[in-house]
Parts: sequence; C-alpha cells; structure tokens
Amino acid sequence: DGGITQSPKYLFRKEGQNVTLSCEQNLNHDAMYWYRQDPGQGLRLIYYSQIVNDFQKGDIAEGYSVSREKKESFPLTVTSAQKNPTAFYLCASSPQSDRDTQYFGPGTRLTVL
Amino acid sequence: GQNIDQPTEMTATEGAIVQINCTYQTSGFNGLFWYQQHAGEAPTFLSYNVLDGLEEKGRFSSFLSRSKGYSYLLLKELQMKDSASYLCAVKASGTYKYIFGTGTRLKVLA
Repeated sequence: DGGITQSPKYLFRKEGQNVTLSCEQNLNHDAMYWYRQDPGQGLRLIYYSQIVNDFQKGDIAEGYSVSREKKESFPLTVTSAQKNPTAFYLCASSPQSDRDTQYFGPGTRLTVL
Repeated sequence: GQNIDQPTEMTATEGAIVQINCTYQTSGFNGLFWYQQHAGEAPTFLSYNVLDGLEEKGRFSSFLSRSKGYSYLLLKELQMKDSASYLCAVKASGTYKYIFGTGTRLKVLA
C-alpha cells in the first residue's frame, strides 16, 4: 500500500540529547514537509523540501535540522538547541500539482524528560 | 503578514448542521483546504477550493470567497464521529508552502 510512515509513534528522550524522527513515503511525491503541533494548536511548519537535495526553513526552524538525500525520505533531527521540543510531529508529502492536498503520516509524539 | 483565523471551539447537536468559518490574509493564494483531525491522529483531507463558490461532497460542503478572504466548512446531519478538530489551510502561490489555522474543535452532543 502507498503511504507515509513515521516511526516511532511515541519517543522519549532526555533533555540535551539530539533525536532523529524518520519519515518515509512511497507515493512518489516530490515535496515533503515537517510540522509541529502543540496541544490545542494548529500545525506550524518547521522545514519543507520541494526536491531532492533541497529544503527551505519554515516558520519555526530554529533548533531543527533536516536532510533530503532520497526522494522517499525526509528525516528531522531535533537538536539540543530546541528550547521546548516536546510536541506532536507530523510529516507530510504532496505531488507537484497545485490541486493536490498534502498527505500526512501518523505522527510521532516526542516527549523530552 | 500571513494569518488564518478560525473559532477555537464549537458545540452542536447530533443531526444538526454546523458552519465553521475561516478568514485568511496571505501573500498570494493558490487554494484553500479543509482537514479533519481526531485527537492524537494525523489530519485527513476533506475539501479543496480554489475558485469562488460552493464545493459539495456528501455531508460536507466548503465555500470560498477570494475577494473577502473567507471560507466556511458546512457539516450536515452531524454524527458523533464528527467530533474532531477542523483545520483550515491556505496554499501560498508560487511555492509548495501551506499555512494552517489553529483549528476549530467541534464537539457533537447526543
């Protein structure tokens, strides 16, 4: 089945540790995105990538880093510089057509202790 | 600046009709999307509007007025399973970037 996978569903880390969240898609979509969602809030864009080996900062990129070495993969690293990393992280992808919506992965809930 | 406004919370009764409004101010416009999100889950696509007017899809309809920067999502014959957050998002023109509102939490009461 085609889709977007994120793993793990729940992730716990100690303060000061870097952590990488995985996102893989087999939909052959060019664009991929990372969002952060806090309780009762909408989605805030962290990074997005329109094509392999290229990515742009979103609205809240500080303390995060990404790579796009393969079309299918767009991992997000939450670094120790991110002041408040505990949140629900959503990965999404979309094809090139303007009419097309984003397709979301199931999300990873990160808790930093 | 870029801004999308939605009511924070709404309550309605099972079987009723509810309208969730969304106003937006964005630099460029290339479509407006509505998503449904149940607690702890990923958003799922509901509707897309790029031209003015009403788009109907089963119990759900979405309306757009580009001149007013306004959209609404209309849910008919409400069911308990419709209790969720509804997110309004605008796609900026010339990029692949989507801008999301904070979402409207809808509670459907029996």
